[in-house]
Amino acid sequence: DAGVTQSPTHLIKTRGQQVTLRCSPKSGHDTVSWYQQALGQGPQFIFQYYEEEERQRGNFPDRFSGHQFPNYSSELNVNALLLGDSALYLCASSLEGFLNTEAFFGQGTRLTVV
Amino acid sequence: GENVEQHPSTLSVQEGDSAVIKCTYSDSASNYFPWYKQELGKGPQLIIDIRSNVGEKKDQRIAVTLNKTAKHFSLHITETQPEDSAVYFCAGGGSYIPTFGRGTSLIVHP
Repeated sequence: DAGVTQSPTHLIKTRGQQVTLRCSPKSGHDTVSWYQQALGQGPQFIFQYYEEEERQRGNFPDRFSGHQFPNYSSELNVNALLLGDSALYLCASSLEGFLNTEAFFGQGTRLTVV
Repeated sequence: GENVEQHPSTLSVQEGDSAVIKCTYSDSASNYFPWYKQELGKGPQLIIDIRSNVGEKKDQRIAVTLNKTAKHFSLHITETQPEDSAVYFCAGGGSYIPTFGRGTSLIVHP
């Protein structure tokens, strides 16, 4: 079992650009959540996808959007990048929602906006 | 929404000592409280969790206790080892939106 895989592992973008991050959930999991983790902070919930729909959303602007595919993999898109978007972006997969079952995290994508 | 406070932010112990990390939460509807360990350059790894119908759970050197009345839960690590050095996060929530604490950097000195 490969666990949760994220790509790419590192990324450098320029202010104003757009970025797409990818996540493949753990085998058997159907729910994907995305988090932003700034240096020295805990993960902040961005949104969760289940059955190809955004089920819940945290306090993030519309510049952050996502998608879930029929195979349960997911993408996180961020438009009009700001310097403050620099962070570790984490994907977590679970079965039918985070709080009812264990959530497994990927290793993250380190995004640097310059 | 849920608010999770975690203390201390840094904890330094000698190898073999015990370590305790405490979290409080605000939402009485919260019913699931996982603990994650995050090593440098890696994603958080679930190490233990507890549900609101249980007061204590143990797994070898790690234990978690939950006091629903006081709305706090704690992680206990006994016989600490240098490889326990990492950042530990508690989390909780009563909905699909989990809230994480700000983390505790545990340093175990050999």
